[in-house]
Formats: sequence, structure tokens, C-alpha cells
Amino acid sequence: DSGVTQTPKHLITATGQRVTLRCSPRSGDLSVYWYQQSLDQGLQFLIQYYNGEERAKGNILERFSAQQFPDLHSELNLSSLELGDSALYFCASSVGLRESYEQYFGPGTRLTVT
Amino acid sequence: GQQLNQSPQSMFIQEGEDVSMNCTSSSIFNTWLWYKQDPGEGPVLLIALYKAGELTSNGRLTAQFGITRKDSFLNISASIPSDVGIYFCAGFSNTGNQFYFGTGTSLTVIP
Repeated sequence: DSGVTQTPKHLITATGQRVTLRCSPRSGDLSVYWYQQSLDQGLQFLIQYYNGEERAKGNILERFSAQQFPDLHSELNLSSLELGDSALYFCASSVGLRESYEQYFGPGTRLTVT
Repeated sequence: GQQLNQSPQSMFIQEGEDVSMNCTSSSIFNTWLWYKQDPGEGPVLLIALYKAGELTSNGRLTAQFGITRKDSFLNISASIPSDVGIYFCAGFSNTGNQFYFGTGTSLTVIP
């Protein structure tokens, strides 16, 4: 158990819909990262937040957005869903920006778009 | 986005054999990490490397940060069935301030 929690574990929804994935980082971690993992793409970095502020952006679509709240939990919002958005979405956390680059991953949310 | 080249893509070995895999990049990284992922689970951190040339062990696992800072290696000695899974390398660049993951090495251990 990494200490990072993600909900829900599974999500099935239809094309065009909007969903919200939630992540709670390890106690004391200020940085949260979101990743998408699909069969043919491997792990793709989406976005990073540090203490509520966006710090780095990867291959995140405009239809996707995220935020980190004052209690440090984070949400990833996916809208106008397409079949190709079906994937595992992982959240990871780390202590901070430079103190530690060691990321600890949550169990993931499996999103299926039908 | 950038992905690191990991090889081999898959390995089938007998229990007890040693395993070697590597990860290369066209860019310099400041940190290299190695993760193992079981099916349906999140990646689990195995080893973190912070200095060029660094050699670090974690039980039967040993990883090295390449001198050029563009590669890293992971060795598993005396493999056991629970070593089965997908191994990912990840590199962190201070310049881009983000992690890049390797394409993964799928390991199968035959008892």
C-alpha cells in the first residue's frame, strides 16, 4: 500500500459524458501527478500540482483539467469523453519539488468509455 | 511527449536466472527511477538514482545511473516467480520539470 488513494476504482460511462477522478496523496506529500496508461501508449504524464499550484503540464488534452485543493487532494476532470479516453488513470504523489523525486502511485482508476 | 527506450520489450526466463534490462534516452536526466507494475495495479517504486555513476541495490535488485546520464540499467539476480510483472524506468529532467517513462519490459519467470 503506497498510501495514495484513488476513487473510484472503476468507471464506465458513455461517449460525450464528463467524469471526475479523485486522488488523495500520501500524508505529508505536497506534489500530485496524474498519468494516463493505455495499452498502446504506456504511461503518459498529464499534469503536476504542487501545493495547490499547477507546476508542469504534459500531454493533457484541452478536454481534461485538474486541480489540487487546500487539503491537497486532487481531482482530474475528463469531459466530452471519447472511446479513446478509455484507459487506466493513475495519481502519484511525492514530498515536494526538489526534496524528493520519488513518486508513489495510487492503485488507479480504470475508465471505460462505451 | 518524450518516451524512454527500454529493452528488451519482453523476457521469458527460468526461475533462478539473472535478468538485465536497460533504458536509454536522447536527453540527459538528473534522476532515474525504476518501477514494477503488476496487472491492474499502480507502479511500485523499486530504486531511485540521483547521481551519474551511482550503483544502488535493493535486495536482489541492482540499478545503475549511467555515466552519460542518458541511460540506466536494472539487474535482478536469482529471479523468482513473484518477479513477474512489467518493469518501467522513469527519468526526471530539471529542465522540463517532469518525468518521462520508459516503454516497459515485461518479465515472465518460468518455475
